[in-house]
Amino acid sequence: DIVMTQSPDSLAVSLGERATINCKSSQSVLFSSNNKNYLAWYQQKPGQPPKLLISWASTRGSGVPDRFSGSGSETDFTLTISSLQAEDVAVYYCQQYYNTPRTFGQGTRLEVK
Amino acid sequence: QVQLVQSGAEVKKPGASVKVSCKASGYTFTSYYIHWVRQAPGQRLEWVGIINPSDHYTNYAQKFQGRVTMTRDTSTSTVFMDLGSLTSEDTAVYYCAREFGDAFDYWGQGTLVTVSS
Repeated sequence: DIVMTQSPDSLAVSLGERATINCKSSQSVLFSSNNKNYLAWYQQKPGQPPKLLISWASTRGSGVPDRFSGSGSETDFTLTISSLQAEDVAVYYCQQYYNTPRTFGQGTRLEVK
Repeated sequence: QVQLVQSGAEVKKPGASVKVSCKASGYTFTSYYIHWVRQAPGQRLEWVGIINPSDHYTNYAQKFQGRVTMTRDTSTSTVFMDLGSLTSEDTAVYYCAREFGDAFDYWGQGTLVTVSS
């Protein structure tokens, strides 16, 4: 199984400041035939299901604000929120869909400082 | 609009089985895979398995092999997850989620399954 490890486990950032969350996979999730990274980011607020933010490591989902961006390749990935808003307080998960079992990171809890 | 609507919360005794449903609407049911993912209290999201509503192909996570069954009813656009031999460690919120060769773009609202004697 591909193990996904996020850092940090929790993060406190001031409103308007940048937030950065990292995700590392135990093996590459880059599919060589199409040069795509099979990596997604989700946001989960209390009592809600996860919401897709980013797929293919860097493609924003429908309706996702452009302050959210994803980067990275192969085994190292980053989710960046360029200017934190109050509504961004949530737990963020990375996920690989390169193979089954689909696996998720342990989550990063983002709070306002 | 795309919706995945799950059945309500369940309370089960150890050793029992639970069947959770996920009714799809707003898209062609047989065109997208459905996954089941669970989240135990304070734990990370855990993949349970996948069903292809078109041909009924299924693939289950190894830890659930032998006690999980996923089925679908194309006449009602509904998928089902049946989990047996429940223990307290199966207490979790179970989600269905849609995929099309990609990430999970739509999720059900979740179904809380509580296993308690």
